[in-house]
Amino acid sequence: GIQVEQSPPDLILQEGANSTLRCNFSDSVNNLQWFHQNPWGQLINLFYIPSGTKQNGRLSATTVATERYSLLYISSSQTTDSGVYFCAVGDYKLSFGAGTTVTVRA
Amino acid sequence: DGGITQSPKYLFRKEGQNVTLSCEQNLNHDAMYWYRQDPGQGLRLIYYSQIVNDFQKGDIAEGYSVSREKKESFPLTVTSAQKNPTAFYLCASKPLRGGIGQPQHFGDGTRLSIL
Repeated sequence: GIQVEQSPPDLILQEGANSTLRCNFSDSVNNLQWFHQNPWGQLINLFYIPSGTKQNGRLSATTVATERYSLLYISSSQTTDSGVYFCAVGDYKLSFGAGTTVTVRA
Repeated sequence: DGGITQSPKYLFRKEGQNVTLSCEQNLNHDAMYWYRQDPGQGLRLIYYSQIVNDFQKGDIAEGYSVSREKKESFPLTVTSAQKNPTAFYLCASKPLRGGIGQPQHFGDGTRLSIL
């Protein structure tokens, strides 16, 4: 199956700081999604981004499909950004990375 | 409201019992999926179905069974053969019309614990 590696595994930020999360994957895919899992376990769709760049408020993502990686940018972080961020890739089925746990301190 | 409904939110099971987790979607999506999440880990695929009356094993299907009798429903049974069933279970769906490049949408999950 497709291997998905996320880095860093943990990230501690001061409120207002910017950060970059990375996702490397082992094969070309037609589907790449970024999710935020909140403390209640809900998996929130952030981006569907098999290629290119998208922005949604303070979050943006870039996928370079030919080089098999994707980046998630968090700008001006807030405490509500805390949680686990997952990258998932695949065609009919998704393979998930282990996630990046983000803690934003006030 | 369109969405994916999983029930119950919390489920307790005695050892040796089978339990069934419900997943219903009203998004008219063709494909449905079950994932398992253990603490501190990512999601792993249990089973998936792309069409009614057909389903395929994922990476960790042993000890689980599914059915897809209706397009909107994809229940998961955790059997007594599953040795470590305590986990968070998430159901997802996606459309297949328009090609395979479509995002998956997730329900809120069911937490299963062994008594």
